[in-house]
Amino acid sequence: EAEVAQSPRYKITEKSQAVAFWCDPISGHATLYWYRQILGQGPELLVQFQDESVVDDSQLPKDRFSAERLKGVDSTLKIQPAELGDSAMYLCASSNNPGDGELFFGEGSRLTVL
Amino acid sequence: DQQVKQNSPSLSVQEGRISILNCDYTNSMFDYFLWYKKYPAEGPTFLISISSIKDKNEDGRFTVFLNKSAKHLSLHIVPSQPGDSAVYFCAASGDSGAGSYQLTFGKGTKLSVIP
Repeated sequence: EAEVAQSPRYKITEKSQAVAFWCDPISGHATLYWYRQILGQGPELLVQFQDESVVDDSQLPKDRFSAERLKGVDSTLKIQPAELGDSAMYLCASSNNPGDGELFFGEGSRLTVL
Repeated sequence: DQQVKQNSPSLSVQEGRISILNCDYTNSMFDYFLWYKKYPAEGPTFLISISSIKDKNEDGRFTVFLNKSAKHLSLHIVPSQPGDSAVYFCAASGDSGAGSYQLTFGKGTKLSVIP
């Protein structure tokens, strides 16, 4: 069964360091999302790609966060410098039909900033 | 401003009984409503959805009801099983502009099914 792959599963870093997360969506899925889930909250959208283009990054803190999907397949989310408040689960999801709302999520990358 | 609200952080139900999870929304432009299930240390998985043109959708033990006038939906699980214990997220989808469809999630309800 096709899955969304994410790495690393867990990352512990000190504040002011740089971190990067990688996502490989389900093959053929043109739409890719990065969500952030803080403990006790629902996932919140950070950025949405359609192929290699950013569709929506209005909720991405652009002073420290960046995201790219250069070839329209896998994607990288970077944080530099990391802050204590960035501790969260970073979820990648993909879809072949965003209109029906069904997204396929990866297992997530748990970030802890010390 | 929270557009999708799940006002019950947790729910405990006896095995075999019905579980009812509730969700309210504020944005009239939402087209689809979905429920996702999440186990610890895993990503959310799609459970069931309903289009805004319907008022009920059923899939096995899971039924979602939509009341558009009240901007309210609910998920019924009958009968509840211990394996249903998880966090359930209500989500809504709509065009946020230029064909950009996104999911807006509630905060989740933790369901515990007691054997």
